[in-house]
Amino acid sequence: EVQLVQSGAEVKKPGESLKISCKGSGYSFTSYWIGWVRQMPGKGLEWMGIIYPGDSDTRYSPSFQGQVTISADKSISTAYLQWSSLKASDTAMYYCARRRERYFDLWGRGTLVTVSS
Amino acid sequence: EIVLTQSPATLSLSPGERATLSCRASQSVSSYLAWYQQKPGQAPRLLIYDASNRATGIPARFSGSGSGTDFTLTISSLEPEDFAVYYCQQRSNWPKMYTFGQGTKLEIK
Repeated sequence: EVQLVQSGAEVKKPGESLKISCKGSGYSFTSYWIGWVRQMPGKGLEWMGIIYPGDSDTRYSPSFQGQVTISADKSISTAYLQWSSLKASDTAMYYCARRRERYFDLWGRGTLVTVSS
Repeated sequence: EIVLTQSPATLSLSPGERATLSCRASQSVSSYLAWYQQKPGQAPRLLIYDASNRATGIPARFSGSGSGTDFTLTISSLEPEDFAVYYCQQRSNWPKMYTFGQGTKLEIK
């Protein structure tokens, strides 16, 4: 089955670090870009950045540049989104999605990140 | 940066009715526009790409049209499972960025 499986929900304190994952299966993981999308509670979709697992070429939205790091390990078909110091405002659902041409045709189920003291 | 503006913010209709959702781009995106559906507690799902092509498995009651700056998603006859939030999305060439509209909530009247 073609799918993206994301890591489970996280509860963290402000200032802590976090790395969430997105594992692809059922297709050639290194042949498609993987994007990350944030959805804050009750809000819309925001594109954060995108990585090509084949060579780890990465692009960031200006809104998220310097705030997060996107990486990938092609040997285990997994992409990552990480924070070095979380803030309460990072509380959101985070989706990974496979890019096909200019669009996102396959989505993970999301990872809920809650940051609270 | 290209901005996508969706209207209306909320659309209240009954099952069986026709739904028309709009997405306007701040500058031309040619036909490079997609539509997604998101139901509560679920990830978004690609419905339409390149303005008018249905994604795999999407029912024929969903159709997209438009080019340049004005786009429309039409649901010909609403089914109960169609009540959800709909987003449009485009990718600009320079800089390479992906942007979403703010969404239209389609609710049962």
